[in-house]
Amino acid sequence: EVQLVQSGAEMKKPGESLKISCKASGYNFANSWIGWVRQMPGKGLEWMGIIYPADSDTRYSPSFQGQVAFSADKSITTAYLQWSSLKASDTAMYYCARMYSAFHIWGQGTMVTVSS
Amino acid sequence: EIVLTQSPGTLSLSPGERATLSCRASQSVSSRYLAWYQQKPGQAPRLLIYGASSRATGIPDRFSGSGSGTDFTLTISRLEPEDFAVYYCQQYGSSPQTFGQGTKLEIK
Repeated sequence: EVQLVQSGAEMKKPGESLKISCKASGYNFANSWIGWVRQMPGKGLEWMGIIYPADSDTRYSPSFQGQVAFSADKSITTAYLQWSSLKASDTAMYYCARMYSAFHIWGQGTMVTVSS
Repeated sequence: EIVLTQSPGTLSLSPGERATLSCRASQSVSSRYLAWYQQKPGQAPRLLIYGASSRATGIPDRFSGSGSGTDFTLTISRLEPEDFAVYYCQQYGSSPQTFGQGTKLEIK
């Protein structure tokens, strides 16, 4: 079964760093793009970008370029989304999803709350 | 960047009725790389339609997609109670990929 399991909810303070994870199983992780999608409270879906684990090729939305970083570890079939300095406006649900004929399979989401 | 505009913002219908949701793109969507997702409260989105008209695995045939170029439509032929949710379109033919703002389908 193709599955993406994300790490648990996080509560952080402004200025702190954070790395959340997305563990893949049931398919060839290295050779499928994985994407990240933000959903702010009560709002719609925003495409953040995608990463190709085989060579770590990344494509960022201009809205998120320089604000976040994607990475992937093929040995443990896990993708990551990280921030070096969180802001209150980063408070949102973050989803990872496998690109295969669009976003074919989604993780359950990781809620990130940034508050002083 | 391709901007996707969904209409209407909210659609109020009764079970058994037909729903027609629209997604209009600011530029032509390459190779019909247009998808539709359903999202229920507290859940991750679920892929319904890809390639503008292909149903994803396990999606009932009351869901259908059509369109090309800049105009796309999701049709639900006969609404079931579980179909009331928010629907998003997405273009994945050019980078950055983009989502529409969503259509909320609510029970009348």
